Amino acid sequence: QKEVEQDPGPLSVPEGAIVSLNCTYSNSAFQYFMWYRQYSRKGPELLMYTYSSGNKEDGRFTAQVDKSSKYISLFIRDSQPSDSATYLCAMSANSGYSTLTFGKGTMLLVSP
Amino acid sequence: GAGVSQSPSNKVTEKGKDVELRCDPISGHTALYWYRQSLGQGLEFLIYFQGNSAPDKSGLPSDRFSAERTGGSVSTLTIQRTQQEDSAVYLCASSLSGDISGNTIYFGEGSWLTVV
Repeated sequence: QKEVEQDPGPLSVPEGAIVSLNCTYSNSAFQYFMWYRQYSRKGPELLMYTYSSGNKEDGRFTAQVDKSSKYISLFIRDSQPSDSATYLCAMSANSGYSTLTFGKGTMLLVSP
Repeated sequence: GAGVSQSPSNKVTEKGKDVELRCDPISGHTALYWYRQSLGQGLEFLIYFQGNSAPDKSGLPSDRFSAERTGGSVSTLTIQRTQQEDSAVYLCASSLSGDISGNTIYFGEGSWLTVV
């Protein structure tokens, strides 16, 4: 079993839909959780960062962490065609960036 | 520059040749990272620099891979005797420090390496 599992998609939704992206993990020591967005032929950019459990909201984006289920989610409200990208989850047991474990990414396609 | 700069952006090389990939981090960033992203795969950590030192090089896949950083700035990733399985996007990233808390990591656009 891989440490971090993420459905590769693609996930296709119409503009305006609510999108749910998810990752599961096996290492109960993970406590730093991140979501990155990667456009085609670009580097990933940090969207959301959460420490430990709970929810975090930033504009149209909400990140949720459920450590008891080893499950994290990213919700995108009122999705836009510009949200079409690959979304990568990443997590770490300690505070060093060099220890981040990434999921393989979910490709999201938002059609106008 | 404003962001992390990588060169070359694309490189096609013959199997067995050596390649050098360059990274210019954001000015003032002491931490620098190299990752590899293969088709359909997540990011694979290669090496981490703090200043000119590499406290974590655990991700380098073989002794054909090496990296250095000079002047606390530019870094070069060298792959010797390239193999077809080395074909991937090599991403460089930098951050003010190596700590995740309150500190963002910025990625370059990557060097796309194809070994034929």
